[in-house]
Amino acid sequence: AQKVTQAQTEISVVEKEDVTLDCVYETRDTTYYLFWYKQPPSGELVFLIRRNSFDEQNEISGRYSWNFQKSTSSFNFTITASQVVDSAVYFCALKGYYGGSQGNLIFGKGTKLSVKP
Amino acid sequence: ETGVTQTPRHLVMGMTNKKSLKCEQHLGHNAMYWYKQSAKKPLELMFVYNFKEQTENNSVPSRFSPECPNSSHLFLHLHTLQPEDSALYLCASSQDRRATSTDTQYFGPGTRLTVL
Repeated sequence: AQKVTQAQTEISVVEKEDVTLDCVYETRDTTYYLFWYKQPPSGELVFLIRRNSFDEQNEISGRYSWNFQKSTSSFNFTITASQVVDSAVYFCALKGYYGGSQGNLIFGKGTKLSVKP
Repeated sequence: ETGVTQTPRHLVMGMTNKKSLKCEQHLGHNAMYWYKQSAKKPLELMFVYNFKEQTENNSVPSRFSPECPNSSHLFLHLHTLQPEDSALYLCASSQDRRATSTDTQYFGPGTRLTVL
């Protein structure tokens, strides 16, 4: 089955701290796609990154970085020098085609990040 | 960024009312989606349209009725809802559901629905 686990329900940090959000996935697909979305209090899910299964190169975008490790089925997200504006719920998602999932996004339950000044 | 818009942003309705949610995308996409987000539950996919054709209905009760008149607009018609239908309803769009390697969904701000 396809599954995404975000074990951290809530994380609270103080501004300027680094924070890592964990994401572990399960799939039998050989080709699949992983995503991170940010949901601020306004409600909209904001797309952050898409990574395909055959590209394990880590990515950095400003204060954001992603570590994809196929060996451990993990796709972790790190925010460096966190800011209050980073406070949101972050969702990891998997897209695959095994078992009739038809390429739908399978979302984790999300991690609520609170960054305090 | 106003690629996907949703109206209304908030809606309160009684169980006997009929209302509609509207979604519009300005990204030139061909696929549109409705999701339901309830408290403490994962996002649930409800309906998928690709090139105006419904390609997926995830066993959604008939009191929810989608409509996709063109690739830019998606509606969700609501009728005789229950209090447990109260949730955030999110619309999303993507280029083409069949384009597996590049297809990314972009979401609207959602409609917060409360059923009394």
